[in-house]
Amino acid sequence: RKEVEQDPGPFNVPEGATVAFNCTYSNSASQSFFWYRQDCRKEPKLLMSVYSSGNEDGRFTAQLNRASQYISLLIRDSKLSDSATYLCVVNTGNTPLVFGKGTRLSVIA
Amino acid sequence: GAVVSQHPSRVICKSGTSVKIECRSLDFQATTMFWYRQFPKKSLMLMATSNEGSKATYEQGVEKDKFLINHASLTLSTLTVTSAHPEDSSFYICSATGALNSPLHFGNGTRLTVT
Repeated sequence: RKEVEQDPGPFNVPEGATVAFNCTYSNSASQSFFWYRQDCRKEPKLLMSVYSSGNEDGRFTAQLNRASQYISLLIRDSKLSDSATYLCVVNTGNTPLVFGKGTRLSVIA
Repeated sequence: GAVVSQHPSRVICKSGTSVKIECRSLDFQATTMFWYRQFPKKSLMLMATSNEGSKATYEQGVEKDKFLINHASLTLSTLTVTSAHPEDSSFYICSATGALNSPLHFGNGTRLTVT
C-alpha cells in the first residue's frame, strides 16, 4: 500500500457545486496533515492544515479520521478559480513530508 | 507568513554546462530543506533532503554526483545540476520547514531548459 493515496481525478464539476476529496495514509503514526493547492506550472501553496477536530476556512473544510486513516477536503460553492491540483501531505515525524500525487479539479462555468 | 525564495525562476542553458539554483528561507531558520523535480503533468518527485551542516540524503535513482546539494546555513540550500542534459529539463522546486510538524513552504520553482 502506498504511503499516501489520492484519487487522481479529474473531478469536473459545475460552478457552485460541492466537491469532496479523500486521501488515505498508511502510517498510523502520522502526526500532521495538510492540504496544498498547486496551479499549473506553479509551486504548491499551503491551503490548510488539518486538525483532529476538523477545521473550516471559508468554503473549505478539512477533516481527519484517524481510525480509518484518511483526511478529506470539502469545497463548497465551487468557483472557477478553485480549478487546480490538490495535494494531500502527511508528516510521519521521522521522514520527509509525504505527498500524495494530487487530485485534479476542474470547475466548469 | 513564512517565505521561501528560489532563484533563478527560469534558466536556459546549453548541454554540458552546470546550473546552480538557490533556495533561501527569508524569515525563519530552515533546519531541513527539500528539493523536488516535477515533469509536465506529473506529480512532485522528491529528489533529496538537505539538513544544515550535513550531507544530503538522496532518493533512490537520484545521482548525487549529478545533483549536488549544499546546505551551508540555516537559511540557504543550493542545488547544482552538473553537466546538464536535455533530459534534465524540468521544474525544480525547493521547500523548507523549521519545526517538526510544521507545514512545508515552497520556493516559486525554477524552470530549467537544457538545449
